[in-house]
Parts: sequence; structure tokens; C-alpha cells
Amino acid sequence: LAKTTQPISMDSYEGQEVNITCSHNNIATNDYITWYQQFPSQGPRFIIQGYKTKVTNEVASLFIPADRKSSTLSLPRVSLSDTAVYYCLVRSNFGNEKLTFGTGTRLTIIP
Amino acid sequence: KAGVTQTPRYLIKTRGQQVTLSCSPISGHRSVSWYQQTPGQGLQFLFEYFSETQRNKGNFPGRFSGRQFSNSRSEMNVSTLELGDSALYLCASSLLASSGANVLTFGAGSRLTVL
Repeated sequence: LAKTTQPISMDSYEGQEVNITCSHNNIATNDYITWYQQFPSQGPRFIIQGYKTKVTNEVASLFIPADRKSSTLSLPRVSLSDTAVYYCLVRSNFGNEKLTFGTGTRLTIIP
Repeated sequence: KAGVTQTPRYLIKTRGQQVTLSCSPISGHRSVSWYQQTPGQGLQFLFEYFSETQRNKGNFPGRFSGRQFSNSRSEMNVSTLELGDSALYLCASSLLASSGANVLTFGAGSRLTVL
């Protein structure tokens, strides 16, 4: 089971690019990396998912180096509405693992 | 299409009582997982169900139980409530179980307060 480590909190100013890194040193061959965003008193929502290299969608990019021991969520030109907790989840595409989320990163956007 | 529906959204109980929470997954999703989230804590995994079978269970006492019905709807029950059970209980559904490539869709949660 890949264990994830993220920074507890980060601050950034509006309009800047924010990069949040998740470490998963024990990631296995069949593991996928998924990022979720959670606002207070709401359920998390899917942001982006990847296996290797780079993935981009309309809201974020996900960079995964060749060794896959870490991943970086990149949020371009953040706004106040991006203030939330961000979780990375690493889970195998096979087997019977528990769904173990890390502590998440609390991102605060400053006006 | 309709999202994941959790009921009730808010409830207040007293110590020693029991509570049942309900989760209706997205149509076609067969896997439901449950989580407990307390203030300042992350998402603590409770259990996962697929096709009416419990696939996995987190490190919670036996007071926490769940089940899944043939229509994929799921319930979780907490008996003999304690003050520390006050939390936001979230459920998530996905197409399949035990699949890292499957995206979880979460409900809005049920906020339980134990007095």
C-alpha cells in the first residue's frame, strides 16, 4: 500500500501558479494517482488522475516523474475560490486495498 | 445525471443511541465506500462495498457497521454512540471496486452531532 505525504498547508496569492507535491515512495506498478479537492462541509471532488508523465485538463495539470515516487498538482492562476484542502490518493488498479487518504494540503489563496 | 445522495444531511443524537445513515450512489455505480471526517482530520476510511459484499474495512470498532443492498444503495450504522463519533460522514460511489483508475464521486455528507 503506497503511503502518501503532502505539505500540511500552503499559501499563495491570487493569479499565481500553485504546485502541490505528493510523495509516494512505495508506489507500485499498478497504482494510479488521483487528486481531489474539498471545500469545508462538502465532499471531496475529483480534480485529475494520472499514471505517468503529464496529464492536463481544464482545471489543472498533473506531473509525474519517471520513477513515479512523487506527483505534482499544478493549479494555474489561482483565485480565492481555489482555497480548499487537496488530497492525493494512490491506489492499485488490482487487489483489495483500503482507500487510505493522506492528511491533505490546506491551500489558502491570499487576495 | 443525479449525484451521490446522502440522508439525512444533519442529525443530532445523544450518547448511547444508535444512528443509521443512507447513501444512494450514482446510477450504474456498484461500489460504495464510507469515510469519517472529524475537525482537522483527514478522511478516515470506514468500509467499502461492492455487489452487496464488504470488500474492505478500516480500523474502526465493531460499533460501526454497514451494508449494501441489491440496488447498490448502502447504509451505515453506528451503535452505542460516543461523543467522539461526532463527525461528517461521507460516502463515495464508483463504477468498480478495488480499482485505482476508478474515480470516486462523493456525496455532500451527513453531519452527526452526539450530545
